[in-house]
Amino acid sequence: AQTVTQSQPEMSVQEAETVTLSCTYDTSESDYYLFWYKQPPSRQMILVIRQEAYKQQNATENRFSVNFQKAAKSFSLKISDSQLGDAAMYFCAYRVLYGGSQGNLIFGKGTKLSVKP
Amino acid sequence: SAVISQKPSRDICQRGTSLTIQCQVDSQVTMMFWYRQQPGQSLTLIATANQGSEATYESGFVIDKFPISRPNLTFSTLTVSNMSPEDSSIYLCSVDGDRQGRQDPQYFGPGTRLTVL
Repeated sequence: AQTVTQSQPEMSVQEAETVTLSCTYDTSESDYYLFWYKQPPSRQMILVIRQEAYKQQNATENRFSVNFQKAAKSFSLKISDSQLGDAAMYFCAYRVLYGGSQGNLIFGKGTKLSVKP
Repeated sequence: SAVISQKPSRDICQRGTSLTIQCQVDSQVTMMFWYRQQPGQSLTLIATANQGSEATYESGFVIDKFPISRPNLTFSTLTVSNMSPEDSSIYLCSVDGDRQGRQDPQYFGPGTRLTVL
């Protein structure tokens, strides 16, 4: 069974600094997606970034980037120049592909990020 | 991307009653998903709803407790039946962003916060 582990229940970062959130996953599949979602206190789940397993290049979206290590099954999120609005719960998620069809999203337990002014 | 709305945004209900949550999408989608997020926890998939077929429930969730309707490609409902305080959670609807692509993340509605007294 696929599992997603986020080992940091809480993290804190100073405004304008950089923070890295960790995520590891366990799977025997070779074709899958990985995602980071952000859930602010408003509880709206917002897609931050996604990575396709077959791509070696790490995904980047503005201040957000990932370090995808497929052999190590690691998928960390780096937030640069942290802003107060980045404070939220961050969920790592995995989604397998079965012959072109997408399976379910499997979520980690989340990391609560606080940003200090 | 898809824009998803949910009704109600929150409700407080008495034990033993039922609540129906509505999910409306601004475009036609094949698959709709219902998640539960218990207080301080991650998201757990309840069921997958495809238009024109019975919903597929995950382990630990049954149709009698969480009946789902999917009358068309833009709308679904989830009913939480015979509620108990343990059902107090946020219930989220989500959809795949595109009916055709491999590249689809899931988009989420704003959630329904349910409190059962």
